[in-house]
Amino acid sequence: DAGVTQSPTHLIKTRGQQVTLRCSPKSGHDTVSWYQQALGQGPQFIFQYYEEEERQRGNFPDRFSGHQFPNYSSELNVNALLLGDSALYLCASSWGSRANSPLHFGNGTRLTVT
Amino acid sequence: QQQVKQSPQSLIVQKGGISIINCAYENTAFDYFPWYQQFPGKGPALLIAIRPDVSEKKEGRFTISFNKSAKQFSLHIMDSQPGDSATYFCAAISNFGNEKLTFGTGTRLTIIP
Repeated sequence: DAGVTQSPTHLIKTRGQQVTLRCSPKSGHDTVSWYQQALGQGPQFIFQYYEEEERQRGNFPDRFSGHQFPNYSSELNVNALLLGDSALYLCASSWGSRANSPLHFGNGTRLTVT
Repeated sequence: QQQVKQSPQSLIVQKGGISIINCAYENTAFDYFPWYQQFPGKGPALLIAIRPDVSEKKEGRFTISFNKSAKQFSLHIMDSQPGDSATYFCAAISNFGNEKLTFGTGTRLTIIP
């Protein structure tokens, strides 16, 4: 039973570029959430997708956008990259839209913006 | 606004000792409090969770103590082992309205022989 898988594992981009990160949820899960984890900090909620719609959004600018596909996989897009976007981006999946459904995290994508 | 405050930032405990990590929250709407364990290069993994209708929950060597009136909760790791060395995050969420899981800033735990 595959857990949450994220790709790529590492990525280096230049300021101003755009990036797409991908996530496949755990088998049986239909909800995907994205988190940004800066070095030495706790994960910060970006947004959540359920039934292919953005259900909740954290305090992130519109440069951060996402998508969920019919097979429940998801993408996170970040436009006009800033140095401050360098972080570990975590995808978490869960079943159903209940807020306290246990989250299963992937190992993340380490994004470095130079 | 930091809604979940976690302390200490780092902790060193001798093998066999008790590790204690504390968290405090502000939002009284929070009704689910999970703890996550994160090893280097890995994503956080759910360790144990508690709801505010109980004051304590134990799973193996891990215990959550919850004080609703003080809006505080803590993780106790009994008989701490070197394999417990990791970063621990407390978190909180409300099942109604705001659905985002809010994390503390993390505690880096090191168990020394």
